[in-house]
Amino acid sequence: SQTIHQWPATLVQPVGSPLSLECTVEGTSNPNLYWYRQAAGRGLQLLFYSVGIGQISSEVPQNLSASRPQDRQFILSSKKLLLSDSGFYLCAWRRDRDSGAFFGQGTRLTVV
Amino acid sequence: QQPVQSPQAVILREGEDAVINCSSSKALYSVHWYRQKHGEAPVFLMILLKGGEQKGHEKISASFNEKKQQSSLYLTASQLSYSGTYFCGTAHLGAGSYQLTFGKGTKLSVIP
Repeated sequence: SQTIHQWPATLVQPVGSPLSLECTVEGTSNPNLYWYRQAAGRGLQLLFYSVGIGQISSEVPQNLSASRPQDRQFILSSKKLLLSDSGFYLCAWRRDRDSGAFFGQGTRLTVV
Repeated sequence: QQPVQSPQAVILREGEDAVINCSSSKALYSVHWYRQKHGEAPVFLMILLKGGEQKGHEKISASFNEKKQQSSLYLTASQLSYSGTYFCGTAHLGAGSYQLTFGKGTKLSVIP
């Protein structure tokens, strides 16, 4: 069976510090991968998605970036965090465009 | 292009029915439905693909009207466990079929 791992579960970072969130999927190959952010009590904002290694589509211009160094690994990064980067970050995977998305447990990021 | 959900919130008594609507201004490839409990990641309920269809389980089902670019989620004989925020996700025809964008959600509260 397929599983998705996302860590850490919670993170408190000072303004201006770097960020690296990692997501890995097991039990499948060539998954479609997604990063979403959810502000408190709000909807899911699509940040990045990837249909293959090295293929990243960015949805929102901001100080975040994403990379897919391996088939089942998706990384979300920032060089300098802003207060507005606080939120619940969720990684998700899909088998293909005809499949539903399955989410990791999420990382609750607080920038102070 | 973010889908539009309605209503924003609904309160039900156990046993009552509810309908949540989702609409898009662009032609759809697929419509997804997810439920999110407070503090948790969203959970996939079902996906409906273009061609127009209806699917689901006995008490939770959905329809997809491709021509109207709309979908509805039907919850019948609601249970306390149905409480949560329901999200509609959409992917559009063409290159956007891999891009999965969510609406702002509908908060459903089921009370005894």
